[in-house]
Amino acid sequence: QVQLVESGGDLVKPGGSLTLSCAVSGLTFSDYYFSWYRQSPGKRLEWVAYINSEANNMYYADSVKGRFTISRDNTKSLYLHMSSLRADDTAVYYCSHLGYWGQGTRVTVSS
Amino acid sequence: DIVMTQSPDSLAVSLGERATINCKSSQSLFYSSNNKNYLAWYQHKPGQPPKLLIYWASTRESGVPDRFSGSGSGTDFTLTISSLQADDVAIYYCQQYYRSPDTFGQGTELEI
Repeated sequence: QVQLVESGGDLVKPGGSLTLSCAVSGLTFSDYYFSWYRQSPGKRLEWVAYINSEANNMYYADSVKGRFTISRDNTKSLYLHMSSLRADDTAVYYCSHLGYWGQGTRVTVSS
Repeated sequence: DIVMTQSPDSLAVSLGERATINCKSSQSLFYSSNNKNYLAWYQHKPGQPPKLLIYWASTRESGVPDRFSGSGSGTDFTLTISSLQADDVAIYYCQQYYRSPDTFGQGTELEI
């Protein structure tokens, strides 16, 4: 059974940093690409970042480019390092591969 | 990136009636070597992750009620809910996985 489990969400001050993790099990991690998505309060789902299976190709939404970094390692984990956080980064963040999604982790940016 | 455009943005349908949501891609999602359209549909309810309903444009995910169906090919696709139930209130998204990064439509909010 495929499982994606996000962690690392927290309350952080504007301008701060945070790293989200996503633990993947039930599939051959190294074979697949992954993405991070988010849903801010009252807004629709937004794609945030993508990383290919070899970790040599990454894409970012314009809203996070230059502030967020997606990465992965050999321990079947996906990461999203977020810096220069703003109030409009407040959201539930999901990791995903196609039809597989985690339950999400909540990030709140507030002073 | 491939741009996905859904219509309408919101839709109100009576219980038991048909709901139809359209999705158009900026380029064809049909891959001739395997005869498949790289298009999925998701249902998203508040506080939950998106739920996969349909993949390959028309294949229903296991456990999804048969009132949900997908159709279309190339650049134009449709999600149909044949007889709307109260539990179907959600935002519906189409997604292309023909070319990375996967891209979603802006969503269609379905109400009773």
